Amino acid sequence: QKEVEQDPGPLSVPEGAIVSLNCTYSNSAFQYFMWYRQYSRKGPELLMYTYSSGNKEDGRFTAQVDKSSKYISLFIRDSQPSDSATYLCAMKAGGSEKLVFGKGTKLTVNP
Amino acid sequence: GAVVSQHPSWVICKSGTSVKIECRSLDFQATTMFWYRQFPKQSLMLMATSNEGSKATYEQGVEKDKFLINHASLTLSTLTVTSAHPEDSSFYICSAREASTDTQYFGPGTRLTVL
Repeated sequence: QKEVEQDPGPLSVPEGAIVSLNCTYSNSAFQYFMWYRQYSRKGPELLMYTYSSGNKEDGRFTAQVDKSSKYISLFIRDSQPSDSATYLCAMKAGGSEKLVFGKGTKLTVNP
Repeated sequence: GAVVSQHPSWVICKSGTSVKIECRSLDFQATTMFWYRQFPKQSLMLMATSNEGSKATYEQGVEKDKFLINHASLTLSTLTVTSAHPEDSSFYICSAREASTDTQYFGPGTRLTVL
């Protein structure tokens, strides 16, 4: 079993839809959780950084962490064509500098 | 926000030559930088962790003599692909850790093509 599992998609939604992206993990030592957005042929851009279980909201984006289920989510409200990208979840254990990434989910928002 | 640059953004070289890629943190000091490799439609694979003033720590399976890493200052790390071969063609991405927020910020990546 891989440490981090993420459905690669692709996921295609109409503009304005609510998008739900998810990752599961197996390593209970993971304490820090991130979502990155990567446009084609570009480096990843940090969207959300969370530590504890619960929700964190930033504009149209909401990150959710459920440590008991080892499950994290990213919700995008009122999705826009500019949100079309690959979304990578990443996580790391306390005291570690190494990020472990999911495979990424390719999202397309159609106008 | 924290900005990380990479240079060059793309490079084409002949088999057997060496290529150097620079990674700079532009508005913060980074004691730790990371080098990743990404194949098409794949996730990022960590190659090595680079700490300023000390030797890099390589991940299992990464040849340290082939991928030379130097982190000479708090804002600059370099990756040199020595004696490059076509199988080294890939997208190389660096990141820099901003200590106060414990966050990794990524560069835009360098696409290497070895002919």
